[in-house]
Parts: sequence; C-alpha cells; structure tokens
Amino acid sequence: EPEVTQTPSHQVTQMGQEVILRCVPISNHLYFYWYRQILGQKVEFLVSFYNNEISEKSEIFDDQFSVERPDGSNFTLKIRSTKLEDSAMYFCASTGQGSQPQHFGDGTRLSIL
Amino acid sequence: RKEVEQDPGPFNVPEGATVAFNCTYSNSASQSFFWYRQDCRKEPKLLMSVYSSGNEDGRFTAQLNRASQYISLLIRDSKLSDSATYLCVVNIMNQFYFGTGTSLTVIP
Repeated sequence: EPEVTQTPSHQVTQMGQEVILRCVPISNHLYFYWYRQILGQKVEFLVSFYNNEISEKSEIFDDQFSVERPDGSNFTLKIRSTKLEDSAMYFCASTGQGSQPQHFGDGTRLSIL
Repeated sequence: RKEVEQDPGPFNVPEGATVAFNCTYSNSASQSFFWYRQDCRKEPKLLMSVYSSGNEDGRFTAQLNRASQYISLLIRDSKLSDSATYLCVVNIMNQFYFGTGTSLTVIP
C-alpha cells in the first residue's frame, strides 16, 4: 500500500538555526498538509497546500514557516529561525480528494536545543 | 469555539468491555467524518470513515447523526491492543479538523 514518507525521523537543531523537514506524499494525491503535535497535546494544523499554493494556514504558521513543493514529489516545511517552542512532532499528510481520509507520514521529531 | 469536541477521558475499561466515544462538531457544512487511532509518539492512523448510514468494521461501529452534529465510535469486546488515543476528524472544504482525542486504556 502506498504511504507518505518523512525524513528525517529525528532532527536536533540549535535554537535560531534553520530546519527543513521533508515529506514525500502519496504519488497521485493532490492535497498536502503539515501538522505538529507537542508532546502530550493535540494534533495542530499548520498549513494546507493545493495546486502549488497554500490554501489555508493557521495562526501558528507565521513568517518563520514556509512550504514548498520543489520538484513534484517532495513537500517541504522550512522553519527559518527555530525557537525552543518549535520542539514537537511534525506530521505530513496527503489526500487524493478532499472528502477522502488523510494518510499520515510517521512524523519527524524536532528537538530544539 | 472549537470545531470538533471530544471527551478527553481517560477511559479505563477491562478487557472484553464495550466502550463508546462521542464527538460533536460545530459546522453543519461538515462533509466527511473519520475516526483515527494514535498510539503514543506515533502518527494518526485511519481507523474508519463514518458514513451517514452508520458502518461497522469487525468490533468497531461508527455512527453519524447530522441533525445533532455528533459522531460516535463503539468498540465491542475490547482488547489490550485497543489501548490508544482515538481522534475524531471532520472535513470541511478540504480542511481537516481534529478533536483533542479520547484516551482509552484496556486493563487485563
């Protein structure tokens, strides 16, 4: 069964550094999403992406965050200048049509020191 | 106002018990509904979609009540392996809204 893949599985970064989280969505999917989950808390929506542009973003997704789909297969989340509070699990998800369920990658654990 | 609300629990039930979770949603334009299961430090995994007529998958039954805007999940004959957090997810116009999750622990 096709799956969403994310790399790296764990990223440790110094505060203030830039970090790029990578995702390869399922190949025929059209909608892409990033979520984060701070340990012990709920899944929080960051951004959705469709037709090569952001379709929705949350208040968490400020100017420090950006997304790209550089080559038709990868979908990346960049955090420009990381803060301690960016430490969380980051999940990528994709779906074929909006009414279909999302499929999640197994996440990148981001630790900011 | 939260789009999706769930009782966070925790629910602690003995093996073999039947347990039910409810979830309410606020937007009547909600289009599709799902239950996901999330194990500790893992990604959410689709448990089942929820259809208007209700649907069953083995020991799991999902119901949707559009008039009252709630979704339910019933687990029969609970197994130890059912211990997890169950997430209610609602889709509105290609955006997915998550409940906080309901924690279930099945006790031997």
